[in-house]
Amino acid sequence: GIQVEQSPPDLILQEGANSTLRCNFSDSVNNLQWFHQNPWGQLINLFYIPSGTKQNGRLSATTVATERYSLLYISSSQTTDSGVYFCAVNTGRRALTFGSGTRLQVQP
Amino acid sequence: DGGITQSPKYLFRKEGQNVTLSCEQNLNHDAMYWYRQDPGQGLRLIYYSQIVNDFQKGDIAEGYSVSREKKESFPLTVTSAQKNPTAFYLCASSIGGFEDTQYFGPGTRLTVL
Repeated sequence: GIQVEQSPPDLILQEGANSTLRCNFSDSVNNLQWFHQNPWGQLINLFYIPSGTKQNGRLSATTVATERYSLLYISSSQTTDSGVYFCAVNTGRRALTFGSGTRLQVQP
Repeated sequence: DGGITQSPKYLFRKEGQNVTLSCEQNLNHDAMYWYRQDPGQGLRLIYYSQIVNDFQKGDIAEGYSVSREKKESFPLTVTSAQKNPTAFYLCASSIGGFEDTQYFGPGTRLTVL
């Protein structure tokens, strides 16, 4: 099946810093989503982005489908951005495959 | 408000007991999913249903069962056959199939004593 790799696995930032999270995948995809899992376990849908670029406030994402990667940008990070960021993809009629996540800690 | 609810939030079970986790959605979504998450890991698909009265096994279905009698509801039963059931269980739904955006409930944390 499709492989999804996220990097870095862990990231510690000072409040106000910017960061880039990366998701590499091994096959062409129909669906790519970025999620934020907060410390209570809730998964929040950030972007549905199988290709192109989207922005939502301080967050933006870019997927380059032909090169099989996606990037999530966080600008001016806040302590509430802490948690785990997951990339998930699907190809064809198969279920979403999740990466192992990037654990982000934003310190005040 | 539209959304996905899961209950209970925390569940404790003795070995050998079956337990049922509830998942309800009022988003009018056709598809519903159950995932399992172990500490420090991503999500793995247990079962999914794309239409009422139909469901399919995911990657780790052994020891679990589901039903889909109503569009709004997709309960998951963790049976005594599941060897290591302690985990965080997440329910999700989408308008159609896997190509569509999935939305998640708050999760149920199951601990086997």
